[in-house]
Amino acid sequence: DAKTTQPTSMDCAEGRAANLPCNHSTISGNEYVYWYRQIHSQGPQYIIHGLKNNETNEMASLIITEDRKSSTLILPHATLRDTAVYYCIVRSPNQAGTALIFGKGTTLSVSS
Amino acid sequence: GAVVSQHPSWVICKSGTSVKIECRSLDFQATTMFWYRQFPKQSLMLMATSNEGSKATYEQGVEKDKFLINHASLTLSTLTVTSAHPEDSSFYICSARDHRDSGSYEQYFGPGTRLTVT
Repeated sequence: DAKTTQPTSMDCAEGRAANLPCNHSTISGNEYVYWYRQIHSQGPQYIIHGLKNNETNEMASLIITEDRKSSTLILPHATLRDTAVYYCIVRSPNQAGTALIFGKGTTLSVSS
Repeated sequence: GAVVSQHPSWVICKSGTSVKIECRSLDFQATTMFWYRQFPKQSLMLMATSNEGSKATYEQGVEKDKFLINHASLTLSTLTVTSAHPEDSSFYICSARDHRDSGSYEQYFGPGTRLTVT
């Protein structure tokens, strides 16, 4: 798997956009960028994934730079319930049968 | 959406006893399930890969005789912690892969089981 680098922690005010960066400078051409999050004492939750185009769903937006060496997960209107550890994971389709490997992620703290 | 359940959600046991944790895929069949362990303030660590009808594959450093994994059906995998000790106290999480899913999320996670060994 390509290595990812994320800030250890970030703070965000409730109602504001939370922008979580991820560096994956060694990403290969067929590797996707996945984002998961883990709320305290719960299992990880899938958020979004993308290859090279920007993606948006009901939870978040994913912005991938043109060179694909970095990406940003955007929570447009953060709420207290978005406080969690966010993991950026890079993997290719041929790894579909293998386990997700988690790094340390970014701890996002949303405060009122 | 695909749902994975775990039972129990929390358990307290005495040192030296064994504890079984169940992981079920509720609305899909999972040929492959994964078991993770998470200590406080740490990330998830993969323990083993469980394949239906075959022996589990354990990660380096995980004792296969201590952490018994059985994946006897397409919807159930069990993890048994044998002769538990306080250092086995942790948050155990399973995930499952829909055998028909060729892309996208790939893995669905259970809610986790909190094990405390006294």
